[in-house]
Amino acid sequence: NAGVMQNPRHLVRRRGQEARLRCSPMKGHSHVYWYRQLPEEGLKFMVYLQKENIIDESGMPKERFSAEFPKEGPSILRIQQVVRGDSAAYFCASSSPLAGGVDTQYFGPGTRLTVL
Amino acid sequence: GIQVEQSPPDLILQEGANSTLRCNFSDSVNNLQWFHQNPWGQLINLFYIPSGTKQNGRLSATTVATERYSLLYISSSQTTDSGVYFCALRGRQTGANNLFFGTGTRLTVIP
Repeated sequence: NAGVMQNPRHLVRRRGQEARLRCSPMKGHSHVYWYRQLPEEGLKFMVYLQKENIIDESGMPKERFSAEFPKEGPSILRIQQVVRGDSAAYFCASSSPLAGGVDTQYFGPGTRLTVL
Repeated sequence: GIQVEQSPPDLILQEGANSTLRCNFSDSVNNLQWFHQNPWGQLINLFYIPSGTKQNGRLSATTVATERYSLLYISSSQTTDSGVYFCALRGRQTGANNLFFGTGTRLTVIP
Protein backbone atom coordinates (compact mmCIF):
# COMPACT_ATOMS: atom_id res chain seq x y z
CA ASN A 1 0.00 0.00 0.00
CA ALA A 2 1.91 3.00 -1.29
CA GLY A 3 2.04 6.10 0.87
CA VAL A 4 1.64 9.68 -0.26
CA MET A 5 3.78 10.28 -3.33
CA GLN A 6 5.30 13.60 -4.29
CA ASN A 7 7.38 14.55 -7.28
CA PRO A 8 9.78 15.87 -8.02
CA ARG A 9 11.69 15.49 -4.78
CA HIS A 10 13.98 18.36 -5.67
CA LEU A 11 13.24 21.21 -8.04
CA VAL A 12 15.51 24.07 -9.05
CA ARG A 13 14.08 27.10 -10.78
CA ARG A 14 15.38 30.50 -11.77
CA ARG A 15 13.54 33.61 -10.69
CA GLY A 16 10.52 34.23 -12.92
CA GLN A 17 10.03 30.60 -13.94
CA GLU A 18 7.08 28.40 -13.02
CA ALA A 19 7.19 25.54 -10.52
CA ARG A 20 4.74 22.61 -10.62
CA LEU A 21 4.61 20.25 -7.69
CA ARG A 22 2.63 17.01 -7.80
CA CYS A 23 1.03 14.96 -5.08
CA SER A 24 -0.70 11.59 -5.31
CA PRO A 25 -2.62 10.81 -2.11
CA MET A 26 -2.70 7.45 -0.42
CA LYS A 27 -5.03 4.95 -2.03
CA GLY A 28 -8.58 5.56 -0.88
CA HIS A 29 -7.86 9.09 0.40
CA SER A 30 -9.92 11.91 -1.05
CA HIS A 31 -8.62 14.84 1.03
CA VAL A 32 -5.36 16.58 0.16
CA TYR A 33 -3.52 19.30 2.08
CA TRP A 34 -0.48 21.33 1.06
CA TYR A 35 1.93 22.74 3.64
CA ARG A 36 5.08 24.82 3.29
CA GLN A 37 8.15 24.60 5.51
CA LEU A 38 10.63 27.44 5.42
CA PRO A 39 14.18 26.67 6.65
CA GLU A 40 14.36 26.08 10.41
CA GLU A 41 10.59 26.53 10.84
CA GLY A 42 7.54 24.35 11.35
CA LEU A 43 5.06 23.54 8.63
CA LYS A 44 2.42 26.11 7.68
CA PHE A 45 -0.88 25.20 6.06
CA MET A 46 -1.53 26.47 2.55
CA VAL A 47 -4.58 24.81 1.03
CA TYR A 48 -7.05 21.97 1.54
CA LEU A 49 -8.69 20.26 -1.41
CA GLN A 50 -11.08 17.47 -2.18
CA LYS A 51 -11.62 16.09 -5.65
CA GLU A 52 -12.39 19.02 -8.00
CA ASN A 53 -12.95 21.40 -5.07
CA ILE A 54 -10.85 23.84 -3.10
CA ILE A 55 -12.24 23.68 0.42
CA ASP A 56 -9.93 26.08 2.26
CA GLU A 57 -7.19 28.20 0.72
CA SER A 58 -6.78 30.58 3.63
CA GLY A 59 -3.05 29.85 3.91
CA MET A 60 -2.25 30.36 0.26
CA PRO A 61 -0.60 33.59 -0.91
CA LYS A 62 -3.08 35.58 -2.94
CA GLU A 63 -0.86 35.96 -5.98
CA ARG A 64 1.21 33.52 -8.06
CA PHE A 65 0.07 30.39 -6.16
CA SER A 66 -2.71 28.05 -7.24
CA ALA A 67 -3.72 24.49 -6.49
CA GLU A 68 -5.98 21.90 -8.03
CA PHE A 69 -7.07 18.33 -7.42
CA PRO A 70 -8.73 17.08 -10.60
CA LYS A 71 -11.10 14.17 -10.88
CA GLU A 72 -8.30 12.10 -12.39
CA GLY A 73 -4.63 12.42 -11.58
CA PRO A 74 -2.56 14.00 -8.87
CA SER A 75 -3.03 17.25 -7.02
CA ILE A 76 -0.90 20.06 -8.42
CA LEU A 77 0.54 23.05 -6.59
CA ARG A 78 1.59 25.67 -9.10
CA ILE A 79 3.81 28.65 -8.38
CA GLN A 80 4.14 31.19 -11.13
CA GLN A 81 7.02 33.65 -11.51
CA VAL A 82 8.95 32.20 -8.60
CA VAL A 83 11.02 34.43 -6.32
CA ARG A 84 13.84 33.54 -3.94
CA GLY A 85 11.45 33.68 -0.99
CA ASP A 86 9.53 30.74 -2.45
CA SER A 87 12.50 28.47 -1.68
CA ALA A 88 11.15 25.96 0.83
CA ALA A 89 10.06 22.39 1.32
CA TYR A 90 6.49 21.79 0.18
CA PHE A 91 4.68 18.88 1.79
CA CYS A 92 1.48 17.22 0.75
CA ALA A 93 -0.69 15.26 3.16
CA SER A 94 -3.75 13.15 2.61
CA SER A 95 -6.50 11.83 4.81
CA SER A 96 -9.75 9.93 4.69
CA PRO A 97 -12.02 10.89 7.56
CA LEU A 98 -13.76 7.90 8.98
CA ALA A 99 -16.82 7.47 11.13
CA GLY A 100 -16.02 8.68 14.60
CA GLY A 101 -13.92 11.55 13.29
CA VAL A 102 -10.52 9.82 13.14
CA ASP A 103 -8.68 11.98 10.68
CA THR A 104 -5.00 11.13 10.61
CA GLN A 105 -3.04 13.06 8.01
CA TYR A 106 -0.23 11.17 6.28
CA PHE A 107 2.58 13.17 4.76
CA GLY A 108 4.57 12.68 1.61
CA PRO A 109 8.36 13.05 1.42
CA GLY A 110 8.12 16.67 0.27
CA THR A 111 9.44 18.64 -2.68
CA ARG A 112 12.41 20.87 -1.97
CA LEU A 113 12.19 23.94 -4.19
CA THR A 114 15.27 26.07 -4.69
CA VAL A 115 14.96 29.35 -6.53
CA LEU A 116 18.21 30.70 -7.92
CA GLY B 1 -5.65 30.10 14.81
CA ILE B 2 -4.74 27.80 17.62
CA GLN B 3 -1.44 28.40 19.44
CA VAL B 4 0.94 25.46 19.74
CA GLU B 5 4.06 25.68 21.91
CA GLN B 6 6.69 22.99 22.19
CA SER B 7 9.44 22.62 24.73
CA PRO B 8 12.32 22.36 24.99
CA PRO B 9 13.35 23.85 21.63
CA ASP B 10 16.60 21.88 21.64
CA LEU B 11 17.68 18.75 23.46
CA ILE B 12 20.96 16.86 23.45
CA LEU B 13 21.01 13.38 24.90
CA GLN B 14 23.53 10.65 25.43
CA GLU B 15 22.54 7.41 23.73
CA GLY B 16 20.44 5.32 26.13
CA ALA B 17 18.94 8.28 28.01
CA ASN B 18 15.23 8.98 28.33
CA SER B 19 13.46 12.22 27.46
CA THR B 20 10.09 13.96 27.64
CA LEU B 21 8.94 16.44 25.03
CA ARG B 22 6.01 18.72 25.75
CA CYS B 23 3.33 20.34 23.60
CA ASN B 24 0.98 22.98 25.03
CA PHE B 25 -2.00 24.24 23.07
CA SER B 26 -4.58 26.96 23.43
CA ASP B 27 -7.81 25.30 22.28
CA SER B 28 -9.67 22.06 22.71
CA VAL B 29 -8.63 19.67 19.98
CA ASN B 30 -10.19 16.97 17.86
CA ASN B 31 -6.95 15.85 16.23
CA LEU B 32 -3.44 15.81 17.66
CA GLN B 33 -0.51 14.10 15.97
CA TRP B 34 3.17 13.73 16.80
CA PHE B 35 5.70 13.57 13.95
CA HIS B 36 9.40 12.91 13.67
CA GLN B 37 11.20 14.77 10.91
CA ASN B 38 14.39 12.87 10.27
CA PRO B 39 17.66 14.49 9.14
CA TRP B 40 16.65 13.83 5.51
CA GLY B 41 13.53 15.93 5.97
CA GLN B 42 10.95 13.16 5.87
CA LEU B 43 7.96 13.44 8.21
CA ILE B 44 7.11 10.24 9.99
CA ASN B 45 3.81 9.74 11.77
CA LEU B 46 4.37 8.71 15.36
CA PHE B 47 0.98 8.99 17.04
CA TYR B 48 -2.57 10.11 16.46
CA ILE B 49 -3.54 11.01 20.01
CA PRO B 50 -6.23 13.64 20.68
CA SER B 51 -6.63 12.13 24.15
CA GLY B 52 -5.34 9.30 26.29
CA THR B 53 -2.12 7.33 26.18
CA LYS B 54 -0.53 5.20 23.48
CA GLN B 55 2.70 3.27 23.26
CA ASN B 56 4.74 2.05 20.32
CA GLY B 57 8.00 0.37 21.23
CA ARG B 58 10.32 2.86 22.93
CA LEU B 59 7.94 5.73 22.28
CA SER B 60 4.79 6.64 24.12
CA ALA B 61 2.53 9.65 24.19
CA THR B 62 -0.06 11.08 26.53
CA THR B 63 -2.56 13.83 25.83
CA VAL B 64 -4.49 15.46 28.67
CA ALA B 65 -7.06 17.31 26.62
CA THR B 66 -8.73 19.03 29.60
CA GLU B 67 -5.40 20.61 30.58
CA ARG B 68 -4.36 21.28 26.98
CA TYR B 69 -1.05 19.52 26.76
CA SER B 70 0.52 16.43 25.27
CA LEU B 71 3.76 14.65 26.15
CA LEU B 72 5.99 12.46 24.02
CA TYR B 73 8.28 10.07 25.88
CA ILE B 74 11.36 8.58 24.29
CA SER B 75 13.08 5.84 26.28
CA SER B 76 16.54 4.34 25.70
CA SER B 77 17.24 6.87 22.97
CA GLN B 78 19.25 5.87 19.90
CA THR B 79 21.18 7.98 17.39
CA THR B 80 18.45 7.27 14.84
CA ASP B 81 16.03 9.18 17.06
CA SER B 82 17.81 12.42 16.13
CA GLY B 83 15.78 14.96 14.22
CA VAL B 84 12.95 17.37 14.91
CA TYR B 85 9.78 16.31 16.71
CA PHE B 86 6.61 18.20 15.85
CA CYS B 87 3.30 18.33 17.58
CA ALA B 88 0.45 19.26 15.23
CA LEU B 89 -3.22 19.63 15.96
CA ARG B 90 -6.59 20.73 14.75
CA GLY B 91 -8.58 22.93 17.07
CA ARG B 92 -12.19 22.17 17.82
CA GLN B 93 -13.25 25.82 17.97
CA THR B 94 -11.74 27.04 14.72
CA GLY B 95 -13.57 24.58 12.54
CA ALA B 96 -10.55 24.39 10.24
CA ASN B 97 -9.46 21.04 8.82
CA ASN B 98 -5.76 21.74 8.58
CA LEU B 99 -3.15 20.95 11.20
CA PHE B 100 -1.37 23.70 13.11
CA PHE B 101 2.24 22.80 13.78
CA GLY B 102 4.40 23.75 16.73
CA THR B 103 7.93 25.00 16.15
CA GLY B 104 9.36 21.63 17.08
CA THR B 105 11.93 20.16 19.45
CA ARG B 106 15.29 19.44 17.85
CA LEU B 107 16.73 16.27 19.38
CA THR B 108 20.34 15.26 18.98
CA VAL B 109 21.37 11.86 20.34
CA ILE B 110 25.11 11.42 20.66
CA PRO B 111 26.79 8.00 20.84
